[in-house]
Amino acid sequence: GENVEQHPSTLSVQEGDSAVIKCTYSDSASNYFPWYKQELGKGPQLIIDIRSNVGEKKDQRIAVTLNKTAKHFSLHITETQPEDSAVYFCAARESGANNLFFGTGTRLTVIP
Amino acid sequence: GAVVSQHPSWVICKSGTSVKIECRSLDFQATTMFWYRQFPKQSLMLMATSNEGSKATYEQGVEKDKFLINHASLTLSTLTVTSAHPEDSSFYICISPPGRGDYYGYTFGSGTRLTVV
Repeated sequence: GENVEQHPSTLSVQEGDSAVIKCTYSDSASNYFPWYKQELGKGPQLIIDIRSNVGEKKDQRIAVTLNKTAKHFSLHITETQPEDSAVYFCAARESGANNLFFGTGTRLTVIP
Repeated sequence: GAVVSQHPSWVICKSGTSVKIECRSLDFQATTMFWYRQFPKQSLMLMATSNEGSKATYEQGVEKDKFLINHASLTLSTLTVTSAHPEDSSFYICISPPGRGDYYGYTFGSGTRLTVV
């Protein structure tokens, strides 16, 4: 089955700096890659996603890039703010299946 | 948009008792529901998949007799943790996969934090 790895596990940045979180996946036929933000005590919330036929997608301060050849995708957050502090999960949907495989999470701390 | 209502949001139970978690799709019909659990500081791991009208399928290592899943209707899926033990303490969340016309829209329940004492 699909295997998703995520790095780093923790990330601290100064407010205003950029943050980058990277994920790799094993199934080259995986076709959907969402990113979720999970705040303390809450369920994950979708913040951005990308499909396999697209290389990059941007939504204001958040962007995701996908390299299908290398089987990795990354989340980029620019101009970070303290409210960006949370745990971020990447996920991949395996081809032929409908369930999501999640990365191990990155705890992002934005220092004011 | 699609909403999955999950209850309870948190529960504390004594060891040996059973706890039922419900996920209801409020404005759509969910023929399938994924059940995940998340241990502290770990990722979400798929436990089982419930399907309306048929038996649930469990992931390897998940005890089907301990984690009873029922998909009673197109709008209700339940997970019952039977004879709960402290090691079952976890965050349980249901996720409805995309339906017709929306190949990418996953709908998350809000999660249930179970603490077994």
